[in-house]
Amino acid sequence: EAQVTQNPRYLITVTGKKLTVTCSQNMNHEYMSWYRQDPGLGLRQIYYSMNVEVTDKGDVPEGYKVSRKEKRNFPLILESPSPNQTSLYFCASRAGTGGSGELFFGEGSRLTVL
Amino acid sequence: DAKTTQPNSMESNEEEPVHLPCNHSTISGTDYIHWYRQLPSQGPEYVIHGLTSNVNNRMASLAIAEDRKSSTLILHRATLRDAAVYYCILRVIQGAQKLVFGQGTRLTINP
Repeated sequence: EAQVTQNPRYLITVTGKKLTVTCSQNMNHEYMSWYRQDPGLGLRQIYYSMNVEVTDKGDVPEGYKVSRKEKRNFPLILESPSPNQTSLYFCASRAGTGGSGELFFGEGSRLTVL
Repeated sequence: DAKTTQPNSMESNEEEPVHLPCNHSTISGTDYIHWYRQLPSQGPEYVIHGLTSNVNNRMASLAIAEDRKSSTLILHRATLRDAAVYYCILRVIQGAQKLVFGQGTRLTINP
Protein backbone atom coordinates (compact mmCIF):
# COMPACT_ATOMS: atom_id res chain seq x y z
CA GLU A 1 0.00 0.00 0.00
CA ALA A 2 1.31 3.43 -0.97
CA GLN A 3 1.86 5.46 2.13
CA VAL A 4 3.75 8.15 4.00
CA THR A 5 4.64 7.06 7.51
CA GLN A 6 5.48 9.45 10.32
CA ASN A 7 6.82 8.66 13.77
CA PRO A 8 6.09 9.37 16.48
CA ARG A 9 2.41 10.18 16.08
CA TYR A 10 2.28 11.86 19.49
CA LEU A 11 5.10 13.28 21.57
CA ILE A 12 5.35 15.42 24.68
CA THR A 13 8.79 16.78 25.37
CA VAL A 14 10.52 19.58 27.25
CA THR A 15 12.20 22.74 26.06
CA GLY A 16 15.69 22.17 24.71
CA LYS A 17 15.58 18.39 24.38
CA LYS A 18 16.54 17.51 20.81
CA LEU A 19 14.07 15.42 18.93
CA THR A 20 13.59 13.96 15.47
CA VAL A 21 10.32 13.23 13.70
CA THR A 22 10.85 10.62 11.03
CA CYS A 23 9.09 10.47 7.69
CA SER A 24 9.31 7.61 5.24
CA GLN A 25 7.54 7.02 1.92
CA ASN A 26 7.38 3.79 -0.10
CA MET A 27 6.46 5.31 -3.49
CA ASN A 28 9.96 6.24 -4.72
CA HIS A 29 8.91 9.90 -4.77
CA GLU A 30 11.45 12.59 -5.55
CA TYR A 31 9.73 15.44 -3.71
CA MET A 32 9.15 15.49 0.03
CA SER A 33 8.04 18.27 2.35
CA TRP A 34 7.20 19.11 5.95
CA TYR A 35 4.27 21.28 7.10
CA ARG A 36 3.00 22.45 10.42
CA GLN A 37 -0.64 23.11 11.15
CA ASP A 38 -1.75 25.57 13.80
CA PRO A 39 -5.24 26.84 14.66
CA GLY A 40 -6.03 30.01 12.75
CA LEU A 41 -2.82 29.80 10.71
CA GLY A 42 -3.59 26.79 8.57
CA LEU A 43 -0.89 24.65 6.99
CA ARG A 44 2.52 26.24 6.50
CA GLN A 45 5.50 24.72 4.76
CA ILE A 46 8.65 24.28 6.84
CA TYR A 47 11.14 22.65 4.44
CA TYR A 48 11.02 20.74 1.22
CA SER A 49 13.33 18.49 -0.76
CA MET A 50 13.40 18.04 -4.51
CA ASN A 51 15.59 14.92 -4.31
CA VAL A 52 18.41 13.28 -2.36
CA GLU A 53 20.77 15.89 -0.89
CA VAL A 54 18.60 18.75 -2.24
CA THR A 55 16.65 20.66 0.41
CA ASP A 56 15.31 24.19 0.72
CA LYS A 57 13.43 26.39 3.15
CA GLY A 58 9.70 26.86 3.10
CA ASP A 59 7.83 29.65 4.83
CA VAL A 60 8.62 28.84 8.48
CA PRO A 61 12.04 27.11 8.66
CA GLU A 62 13.33 28.78 11.84
CA GLY A 63 14.15 26.26 14.57
CA TYR A 64 14.06 23.24 12.27
CA LYS A 65 16.56 21.21 10.30
CA VAL A 66 16.07 18.51 7.71
CA SER A 67 18.20 16.03 5.82
CA ARG A 68 17.64 13.88 2.75
CA LYS A 69 20.33 11.22 2.65
CA GLU A 70 18.04 8.58 1.16
CA LYS A 71 15.18 9.00 -1.25
CA ARG A 72 12.59 7.40 1.00
CA ASN A 73 13.38 9.28 4.25
CA PHE A 74 13.05 12.95 5.18
CA PRO A 75 13.46 13.47 8.93
CA LEU A 76 12.54 16.73 10.66
CA ILE A 77 14.98 17.70 13.41
CA LEU A 78 14.26 20.10 16.26
CA GLU A 79 17.68 20.77 17.78
CA SER A 80 16.37 22.78 20.73
CA PRO A 81 12.57 22.67 20.80
CA SER A 82 10.65 25.57 22.24
CA PRO A 83 6.97 25.87 23.25
CA ASN A 84 6.14 27.81 20.07
CA GLN A 85 6.96 24.63 18.14
CA THR A 86 4.02 22.89 19.72
CA SER A 87 2.01 21.97 16.66
CA LEU A 88 0.64 19.27 14.39
CA TYR A 89 3.23 18.26 11.81
CA PHE A 90 2.62 16.64 8.44
CA CYS A 91 5.07 15.08 6.03
CA ALA A 92 4.13 14.80 2.37
CA SER A 93 5.62 13.37 -0.80
CA ARG A 94 5.02 13.59 -4.52
CA ALA A 95 6.40 12.02 -7.68
CA GLY A 96 8.47 14.36 -9.82
CA THR A 97 9.27 17.99 -9.16
CA GLY A 98 6.90 19.78 -11.49
CA GLY A 99 3.80 21.79 -10.71
CA SER A 100 1.20 19.07 -11.07
CA GLY A 101 0.84 15.77 -9.34
CA GLU A 102 -0.81 14.58 -6.18
CA LEU A 103 0.76 15.17 -2.79
CA PHE A 104 0.47 12.25 -0.39
CA PHE A 105 0.33 13.26 3.27
CA GLY A 106 1.18 11.29 6.36
CA GLU A 107 -1.25 11.01 9.25
CA GLY A 108 0.44 13.69 11.29
CA SER A 109 2.62 13.98 14.38
CA ARG A 110 1.27 15.97 17.28
CA LEU A 111 4.12 17.55 19.21
CA THR A 112 3.83 19.31 22.55
CA VAL A 113 6.83 21.18 23.94
CA LEU A 114 6.55 22.10 27.63
CA ASP B 1 3.14 35.40 -3.09
CA ALA B 2 -0.15 34.54 -4.68
CA LYS B 3 -2.82 33.82 -2.07
CA THR B 4 -6.21 32.18 -2.02
CA THR B 5 -9.42 33.33 -0.34
CA GLN B 6 -12.16 30.92 0.66
CA PRO B 7 -15.31 31.23 2.78
CA ASN B 8 -14.71 30.03 6.33
CA SER B 9 -17.62 27.62 6.29
CA MET B 10 -20.41 26.25 4.15
CA GLU B 11 -23.30 23.93 4.78
CA SER B 12 -25.18 21.63 2.46
CA ASN B 13 -27.53 18.68 2.52
CA GLU B 14 -26.75 15.09 1.77
CA GLU B 15 -27.15 14.05 -1.86
CA GLU B 16 -27.19 17.65 -3.08
CA PRO B 17 -24.45 19.31 -5.15
CA VAL B 18 -21.95 21.55 -3.37
CA HIS B 19 -20.05 24.43 -4.96
CA LEU B 20 -16.98 25.55 -3.02
CA PRO B 21 -15.53 28.84 -4.28
CA CYS B 22 -11.93 30.06 -4.20
CA ASN B 23 -10.52 33.43 -5.22
CA HIS B 24 -6.91 33.70 -6.34
CA SER B 25 -6.74 37.07 -8.05
CA THR B 26 -2.92 37.28 -7.95
CA ILE B 27 -2.32 33.89 -9.54
CA SER B 28 0.49 33.78 -12.06
CA GLY B 29 0.34 32.10 -15.44
CA THR B 30 2.15 28.92 -14.42
CA ASP B 31 0.53 28.30 -11.03
CA TYR B 32 -1.53 25.15 -10.80
CA ILE B 33 -4.75 25.21 -8.77
CA HIS B 34 -5.05 22.29 -6.39
CA TRP B 35 -7.76 21.23 -4.00
CA TYR B 36 -7.19 19.08 -0.96
CA ARG B 37 -9.47 18.17 1.87
CA GLN B 38 -8.80 17.22 5.45
CA LEU B 39 -11.11 14.89 7.30
CA PRO B 40 -11.13 15.07 11.11
CA SER B 41 -7.92 13.73 12.69
CA GLN B 42 -6.34 12.93 9.32
CA GLY B 43 -3.77 14.40 6.99
CA PRO B 44 -4.90 16.32 3.92
CA GLU B 45 -5.86 14.26 0.91
CA TYR B 46 -5.77 15.20 -2.74
CA VAL B 47 -9.05 15.97 -4.46
CA ILE B 48 -8.30 17.49 -7.87
CA HIS B 49 -6.08 19.97 -9.69
CA GLY B 50 -6.02 21.98 -12.91
CA LEU B 51 -4.22 24.72 -14.79
CA THR B 52 -6.59 26.35 -17.26
CA SER B 53 -9.29 23.92 -18.34
CA ASN B 54 -12.09 22.45 -16.27
CA VAL B 55 -11.28 19.04 -14.85
CA ASN B 56 -13.32 16.06 -13.72
CA ASN B 57 -12.40 13.00 -11.70
CA ARG B 58 -14.25 10.40 -9.66
CA MET B 59 -14.31 12.63 -6.60
CA ALA B 60 -15.21 16.05 -7.96
CA SER B 61 -15.09 18.61 -10.75
CA LEU B 62 -12.99 21.75 -10.91
CA ALA B 63 -14.31 24.76 -12.77
CA ILE B 64 -11.66 27.42 -13.50
CA ALA B 65 -12.66 30.93 -14.52
CA GLU B 66 -11.44 32.09 -17.90
CA ASP B 67 -9.17 34.72 -16.32
CA ARG B 68 -8.03 32.12 -13.74
CA LYS B 69 -8.68 34.52 -10.87
CA SER B 70 -11.17 32.16 -9.30
CA SER B 71 -12.17 28.52 -9.29
CA THR B 72 -14.96 26.35 -7.93
CA LEU B 73 -14.79 22.83 -6.59
CA ILE B 74 -17.98 20.94 -7.32
CA LEU B 75 -19.07 17.89 -5.36
CA HIS B 76 -21.88 16.51 -7.46
CA ARG B 77 -23.70 14.59 -4.79
CA ALA B 78 -22.48 15.22 -1.26
CA THR B 79 -22.40 12.45 1.30
CA LEU B 80 -21.77 12.63 5.04
CA ARG B 81 -18.22 11.44 4.36
CA ASP B 82 -17.56 14.64 2.44
CA ALA B 83 -17.73 16.70 5.63
CA ALA B 84 -14.21 18.11 5.88
CA VAL B 85 -12.08 21.23 5.55
CA TYR B 86 -11.43 21.93 1.87
CA TYR B 87 -8.27 23.77 0.89
CA CYS B 88 -7.72 25.62 -2.34
CA ILE B 89 -3.98 25.71 -3.01
CA LEU B 90 -1.75 27.31 -5.58
CA ARG B 91 1.23 25.25 -6.65
CA VAL B 92 3.96 27.81 -7.18
CA ILE B 93 6.50 26.34 -9.57
CA GLN B 94 8.66 29.35 -10.35
CA GLY B 95 11.50 29.84 -7.95
CA ALA B 96 10.92 28.13 -4.63
CA GLN B 97 8.59 25.19 -4.88
CA LYS B 98 5.92 25.54 -2.28
CA LEU B 99 2.25 25.23 -1.64
CA VAL B 100 0.31 28.30 -0.59
CA PHE B 101 -2.53 27.03 1.56
CA GLY B 102 -5.62 29.13 2.13
CA GLN B 103 -7.52 28.99 5.43
CA GLY B 104 -9.87 26.43 4.00
CA THR B 105 -13.63 26.05 4.01
CA ARG B 106 -15.23 23.87 6.65
CA LEU B 107 -17.99 21.96 4.88
CA THR B 108 -20.85 20.60 6.96
CA ILE B 109 -23.22 18.07 5.41
CA ASN B 110 -26.66 17.72 6.91
CA PRO B 111 -28.37 14.30 6.75
